Amino acid sequence: GDSVTQMEGPVTLSEEAFLTINCTYTATGYPSLFWYVQYPGEGLQLLLKATKADDKGSNKGFEATYRKETTSFHLEKGSVQVSDSAVYFCALSNSGYSTLTFGKGTMLLVSP
Amino acid sequence: DSGVTQTPKHLITATGQRVTLRCSPRSGDLSVYWYQQSLDQGLQFLIQYYNGEERAKGNILERFSAQQFPDLHSELNLSSLELGDSALYFCASSSGTGGGNTEAFFGQGTRLTVV
Repeated sequence: GDSVTQMEGPVTLSEEAFLTINCTYTATGYPSLFWYVQYPGEGLQLLLKATKADDKGSNKGFEATYRKETTSFHLEKGSVQVSDSAVYFCALSNSGYSTLTFGKGTMLLVSP
Repeated sequence: DSGVTQTPKHLITATGQRVTLRCSPRSGDLSVYWYQQSLDQGLQFLIQYYNGEERAKGNILERFSAQQFPDLHSELNLSSLELGDSALYFCASSSGTGGGNTEAFFGQGTRLTVV
């Protein structure tokens, strides 16, 4: 079945550091790929998405490129802020009904 | 605010009991999804309803059931509760039947603690 693997956390960075959170997937066909973010005490929010190979999703300074050849969708940000501290989930959808398969999540902690 | 409302926010109950979690989707969304988030299993898809009909099923136990009512709100019923059912239960909604690139909007979740 479909699966998503993302790097374990926590990832601890200083403000303005460069962020990479790795995500790889296993799926049949051509899934859509997503990054969701969960701030403390809140639900998940869609951060960005890409629906086909070589697409780049971007939002709030975060970017991820759909790499079919390496089955990856790594999340990057050039300069993190304290307010980016949250749990980040990589996910895929490989069905017609938008059901999501999630990775286990990576906690990001940014210190001033 | 995603527009998806879940009640209650917290629930503590004893083993063997039955609880009902409620979800109101965003205005106009016809699809409702239920997910379970636990420390050991992570976030897992349980079940999806579209306009009152079950559309997709994931790793949902037989002790669990759900339904979507004519006003589109949904309820997740958990019975014969076990300690391992303690988790955060999320509801999400999306427009139409979904589709691989349709955004799902998540509620804040119901934290269930079974003691």
